[in-house]
Amino acid sequence: AQSVAQPEDQVNVAEGNPLTVKCTYSVSGNPYLFWYVQYPNRGLQFLLKYITGDNLVKGSYGFEAEFNKSQTSFHLKKPSALVSDSALYFCAVRDEANTGFQKLVFGTGTRLLVSP
Amino acid sequence: DAGVIQSPRHEVTEMGQEVTLRCKPISGHDYLFWYRQTMMRGLELLIYFNNNVPIDDSGMPEDRFSAKMPNASFSTLKIQPSEPRDSAVYFCASSFGGTGTGAREQYFGPGTRLTVT
Repeated sequence: AQSVAQPEDQVNVAEGNPLTVKCTYSVSGNPYLFWYVQYPNRGLQFLLKYITGDNLVKGSYGFEAEFNKSQTSFHLKKPSALVSDSALYFCAVRDEANTGFQKLVFGTGTRLLVSP
Repeated sequence: DAGVIQSPRHEVTEMGQEVTLRCKPISGHDYLFWYRQTMMRGLELLIYFNNNVPIDDSGMPEDRFSAKMPNASFSTLKIQPSEPRDSAVYFCASSFGGTGTGAREQYFGPGTRLTVT
């Protein structure tokens, strides 16, 4: 079975500092990995995804994520945080071995709080 | 494109009443997902459809919940009878899978906030 873990309920960072939101995954085949962001009272918005190729994936709003197969991780990063980045972030995975269907498994979410 | 459309945005009802949530997916998308989000349980997948056919309803809490997709542009999630523990934000999402096995992002609607008193 496929699963993701987001070990931190909340991450606090000062504006202008780099940020990292952690995600680890478990699949039987190769993973397809996603990051989503949820602002208050809104639906989830797609940020970026990893399918294959370059381990560093660039996405929306200056975010990027690094895929590490040996550590089964897909951490979300941004070089310089903004107060407006404060939101709830979800990691999600789909197992390549689970062919034919597009079901994603989401993590529990990490709240990012960027202080001025 | 208008994105995924959900209605109503807010619903307040009394215990025992029937509740119907509606969703219009993005045109051309062949997958539709219903999720529920609460503080206690996080984001839960309830059911999803492919080409209007239910594929996996293992996340539906109990028989009080039912979902239909009569055509490619409309789906409903019904709770009958509703209970206070059903209070949550319900999201609809859609994606395009096509015939490939690649990874497609899901697009979420704004959600329906349901309060059952």
